[in-house]
Amino acid sequence: GEDVEQSLFLSVREGDSSVINCTYTDSSSTYLYWYKQEPGAGLQLLTYIFSNMDMKQDQRLTVLLNKKDKHLSLRIADTQTGDSAIYFCAESVIGLGGGNMLTFGGGTRLMVKP
Amino acid sequence: EAEVAQSPRYKITEKSQAVAFWCDPISGHATLYWYRQILGQGPELLVQFQDESVVDDSQLPKDRFSAERLKGVDSTLKIQPAELGDSAMYLCASSLTVSKYGYTFGSGTRLTVV
Repeated sequence: GEDVEQSLFLSVREGDSSVINCTYTDSSSTYLYWYKQEPGAGLQLLTYIFSNMDMKQDQRLTVLLNKKDKHLSLRIADTQTGDSAIYFCAESVIGLGGGNMLTFGGGTRLMVKP
Repeated sequence: EAEVAQSPRYKITEKSQAVAFWCDPISGHATLYWYRQILGQGPELLVQFQDESVVDDSQLPKDRFSAERLKGVDSTLKIQPAELGDSAMYLCASSLTVSKYGYTFGSGTRLTVV
């Protein structure tokens, strides 16, 4: 099956930039996504990038995609304490049943220190 | 804003008992997913429905898990008998199609098997 990998933990100071990295394996993915999960909650879609794009900026969020290396990153500018959460990278893949599905990484826990 | 509704929010059950979770997707979303998220890991797909039909249940432990979506709207996921290793967050998601909007997730049901 496809693997999506992320580093486990990132700690930054409030006001600094955070960069969360992800590697994926399915080169046919149409969209790649970043989700945010706060404690005890479901997953919230933060942003996405279409596979033919290299970069996408959305307010404080910048997504970079390197298709050659199958590397995706999420940069959060001016990180705030409210950004503390777990961030999941996900790729769209074709499942065994032929339908589109999302495969998630294990998540990166971001801790923002005041 | 439209939401995916899940109930119950929390469930504690004894091992070998039966347990059921309910999900009501966003109106009009034909595709419904059940994911399981073990603590500290990313979500993993259990079953995917397109309307009332199962598209992918390759990762569903069919000896004890069952899922149905009889009228192509809401869905029920059942575990019988529950085992200690089933303790996890069970997330339901729905989508129109794979797109920049990804999936919309519910808040999940946290199951603890004792």
